[in-house]
Amino acid sequence: SYELTQPPSVSVSPGQTARITCSGDALPKKYAYWYQQKSGQAPVLVIYEDTKRPSGIPERFSGSSSGTMATLTISGAQVEDEADYHCYSIDSDGNQVFGGGTKVTVL
Amino acid sequence: EVQLVESGGGLVQPGESLRLSCAASGFTFSSYWMSWVRQAPGKGLEWVANIKQDGSKKNYVDSVKGRFTISRDNAKNSLYLQMNSLRAEDTAVYYCARYSSGWYFTYWGQGTLVTVSS
Repeated sequence: SYELTQPPSVSVSPGQTARITCSGDALPKKYAYWYQQKSGQAPVLVIYEDTKRPSGIPERFSGSSSGTMATLTISGAQVEDEADYHCYSIDSDGNQVFGGGTKVTVL
Repeated sequence: EVQLVESGGGLVQPGESLRLSCAASGFTFSSYWMSWVRQAPGKGLEWVANIKQDGSKKNYVDSVKGRFTISRDNAKNSLYLQMNSLRAEDTAVYYCARYSSGWYFTYWGQGTLVTVSS
């Protein structure tokens, strides 16, 4: 079955840049999406179609994709960005898959 | 404002059944594919099932095929998940989610907790 692989955790100091990676064999041909999930809350879409930012999402959130890896970048991380981040994509058979999630700690 | 409100979760024993509901408002429910996504305690998100606008197509993750049934009532703006033969590994928060025009989720409910334990 298709898998998306993320690092379990990333730590960043306030104001610094955090990069979260997501690797998957279908990513060269399929878009990646990123969801932010704060403790006890539902996920929120922060990046769609690799690089697009929904309205209301701060500009410090950006996405990129190259080959089999997609990356979510938080430029100038804030304390309120502390959350779990999940990548999501669809494989060539239409299976909808999430990565295992990355816990971002800002301290 | 789009709202998705799940209900029906609870504690059940292995082998028992449960029916989840999701009440939708703030958009034309009958125009969108809908889905259930779950999250086991301390784990990542897992897509469970989805259903076409008119209910004519349904898809399931392999682990629930033959046990779970997704359905909808467009007249009541409601989505359902009938869960039979529940197992301990089905323990999770179950989210109702709406797709965008593409195959990704733009709106989520707050989730309902299902615990399967003896």
